[in-house]
Amino acid sequence: AQKITQTQPGMFVQEKEAVTLDCTYDTSDPSYGLFWYKQPSSGEMIFLIYQGSYDQQNATEGRYSLNFQKARKSANLVISASQLGDSAMYFCAMRPLGGNKLVFGAGTILRVKS
Amino acid sequence: EAGVTQSPTHLIKTRGQQATLRCSPISGHTSVYWYQQALGLGLQFLLWYDEGEERNRGNFPPRFSGRQFPNYSSELNVNALELEDSALYLCASSLVGQRNSPLHFGNGTRLTVT
Repeated sequence: AQKITQTQPGMFVQEKEAVTLDCTYDTSDPSYGLFWYKQPSSGEMIFLIYQGSYDQQNATEGRYSLNFQKARKSANLVISASQLGDSAMYFCAMRPLGGNKLVFGAGTILRVKS
Repeated sequence: EAGVTQSPTHLIKTRGQQATLRCSPISGHTSVYWYQQALGLGLQFLLWYDEGEERNRGNFPPRFSGRQFPNYSSELNVNALELEDSALYLCASSLVGQRNSPLHFGNGTRLTVT
């Protein structure tokens, strides 16, 4: 079975600074995908970034990048140049490549201070 | 392209009643997923439908059920409502067979059981 652990219940970051949100995972599957989602207070889930377990390079999408360390089973999200609109709940999720459902972590609340 | 749409946005029921939640996936997506997000908690997988069939089910009692229609829209039914069923119910859709295909979520239905 897959398990996602997000150890930071809440984080604060100063506007314009970078922040790293931690995510570790546990799986026995040889192939899997890792996803990060953002959930603002309005409730919708917004897909941010994807990393495949066999991808050679760390994924990047604009201000979002993924620090993927396969041996450590970690997939930390890095947000550069934080903005007030980045304040939200962030979820890390995993899906085995042969499967379909996503397994989510408990989430990290990020608050950006001005 | 229209995203995943869910209705109603809010639903208030009393204990013992039945609730029906609806979801329309993104055009071209055949897979529909249902997740429950209780207040302050992460997303718990409920059900996965693809091509009209239930493919996987989370650890929820049988009073949580659903179906997928020929047009790939889906319905989630919750019978004999209990107070702890109060939660945000999120529907998502995705393409099947693409390993990096994320789940695209709707805005959710907030169910309140009194």
